[in-house]
Amino acid sequence: EAGVTQSPTHLIKTRGQQATLRCSPISGHTSVYWYQQALGLGLQFLLWYDEGEERNRGNFPPRFSGRQFPNYSSELNVNALELEDSALYLCASSLGSQTYNEQFFGPGTRLTVL
Amino acid sequence: AQSVTQLGSHVSVSEGALVLLRCNYSSSVPPYLFWYVQYPNQGLQLLLKYTSAATLVKGINGFEAEFKKSETSFHLTKPSAHMSDAAEYFCAVIVAGGGADGLTFGKGTHLIIQP
Repeated sequence: EAGVTQSPTHLIKTRGQQATLRCSPISGHTSVYWYQQALGLGLQFLLWYDEGEERNRGNFPPRFSGRQFPNYSSELNVNALELEDSALYLCASSLGSQTYNEQFFGPGTRLTVL
Repeated sequence: AQSVTQLGSHVSVSEGALVLLRCNYSSSVPPYLFWYVQYPNQGLQLLLKYTSAATLVKGINGFEAEFKKSETSFHLTKPSAHMSDAAEYFCAVIVAGGGADGLTFGKGTHLIIQP
């Protein structure tokens, strides 16, 4: 069974540009979570999508947005990139939205903002 | 809101020695607790989880953790360290009904294995 996949592996952008990151969950999983792992800040919850709807977001500005498609894959968009957006962005999927459902993580997309 | 504190950003042990990584949580309601491992340039892999069943939880690769409500702790242990255990370890918490907030992670502990 294929795990969570993310693309691209690496992404280099300049300040002010937009970045789009993609995530494909494990087959059958309907929930997708996005996390940011920035140096010195640790892992922080960004967004949660379930059944195509944004269910909640962490403490991030509105320029971080995304969506979930009918096939449950998801896209994270970061507008007006700032240097501090440089981080590893991890996507996780789970079987439904129950709290105890294990979140399976993808390998991440490393975003570098120059 | 829940929080996690991992004591020690770096822990160094000799190969074959006991591994003990400390995690304390804060939660106003019963939590679910997880330990994840991250190898360089990779995502997170679940080692084990506590979801209100047995308080001693066994995970993969010989790791186990014990949930102690009175101490609000969920320390990770392994009797004998292997070189392949060198990685970053994260403790995480999520509260029942709190899926909306995602997992709350500790800052991580970098485990170093000395030969």
